[in-house]
Amino acid sequence: EAGVTQSPTHLIKTRGQQATLRCSPISGHTSVYWYQQALGLGLQFLLWYDEGEERNRGNFPPRFSGRQFPNYSSELNVNALELEDSALYLCASRRWGGGNEAFFGQGTRLTVV
Amino acid sequence: EDQVTQSPEALRLQEGESSSLNCSYTVSGLRGLFWYRQDPGKGPEFLFTLYSAGEEKEKERLKATLTKKESFLHITAPKPEDSATYLCAVQAGSSGNTPLVFGKGTRLSVIA
Repeated sequence: EAGVTQSPTHLIKTRGQQATLRCSPISGHTSVYWYQQALGLGLQFLLWYDEGEERNRGNFPPRFSGRQFPNYSSELNVNALELEDSALYLCASRRWGGGNEAFFGQGTRLTVV
Repeated sequence: EDQVTQSPEALRLQEGESSSLNCSYTVSGLRGLFWYRQDPGKGPEFLFTLYSAGEEKEKERLKATLTKKESFLHITAPKPEDSATYLCAVQAGSSGNTPLVFGKGTRLSVIA
């Protein structure tokens, strides 16, 4: 069974540009989570999608946005990139329902120069 | 506010030297506590889920336990390949509509 896949693996953007990151969940998982992991920091919750809807949002500015498609894949968009947006962006998928484990992809390393 | 605190931040062990990592949490109704392993530059790898105080789970040299306020990850006779950052996360709340909250992790180095 395929795990969570993320693309691209690495992304280099210039300050002020937009970045689009993609995530395909494990088959049968309807929930997709996005986390930001900056160097030396823990995983910070960004966004949670389930059944095509945004269910919860972390403490990030509106320029971080996303969506979930009918096939449950998801996209994270970051507008007006800032240097401090450089981080490892992780996607996780999970079956709906509390207590079930989330499985992570390998992440997208975003570098803003 | 739900909080997860892991200690120590870093731990250096000799191969075969057993030890424990701690995860303390304050949540409004625990629905699950999760342990992950993360290698540098990679995504976290799921290890265990614990649901209620007194529960224990084992996998190879790792054993996770849970009380009402904390969880421990015991590492028995570690090997260099156990070197990684170990993350603890909780899901809280009365419904399933909450994300996982992570601690900052414990960076484990096992020296041969």
